[in-house]
Amino acid sequence: QKEVEQNSGPLSVPEGAIASLNCTYSDRGSQSFFWYRQYSGKSPELIMSIYSNGDKEDGRFTAQLNKASQYVSLLIRDSQPSDSATYLCAGGGGFKTIFGAGTRLFVKA
Amino acid sequence: EAQVTQNPRYLITVTGKKLTVTCSQNMNHEYMSWYRQDPGLGLRQIYYSMNVEVTDKGDVPEGYKVSRKEKRNFPLILESPSPNQTSLYFCASSPQTGNYGYTFGSGTRLTVV
Repeated sequence: QKEVEQNSGPLSVPEGAIASLNCTYSDRGSQSFFWYRQYSGKSPELIMSIYSNGDKEDGRFTAQLNKASQYVSLLIRDSQPSDSATYLCAGGGGFKTIFGAGTRLFVKA
Repeated sequence: EAQVTQNPRYLITVTGKKLTVTCSQNMNHEYMSWYRQDPGLGLRQIYYSMNVEVTDKGDVPEGYKVSRKEKRNFPLILESPSPNQTSLYFCASSPQTGNYGYTFGSGTRLTVV
């Protein structure tokens, strides 16, 4: 069974701090990795995608991929209370995308 | 506005009564998929479609049917719903395969009693 695993949290960080979210995946054939943000009662929203080893930055977000370790992470700099949400990690290759169960993030004002 | 539209948003039904959840996208995406989301289990893929008339099973297809007669529409059919299909359902679309990331619909909260 192909899996994507995340710590369910909650992860609590003070406003202005860096939030670090992590996930691991089991399928070495996965080629594409995504981070989605899901506010309570809402649908997931794509915030980052990463396809090759290394870092990818977009504004306050940085995604990191290490295929040798089968590890994906998301860093949120200068965390804001509006970043409080569940963050879903997903891995895909071909026609299927597997999601982790999500990490709940709380940013305290 | 580019979007995926699901209907209904909320549905309560009785065991065995056939129902359809509609999904439509206006982005000319080739790839569409259905997921269910349950607490602690995350999003699990039910069915996906690579293009018109091309569909395949995801990880939890039992009790569900889909069809893709037009590129924009991808309805989810529960022929005989059971209480274990009570869940939050999301339709999603992507330009080609899932490698491009999804745009999700607003979700359908289904309760089967």
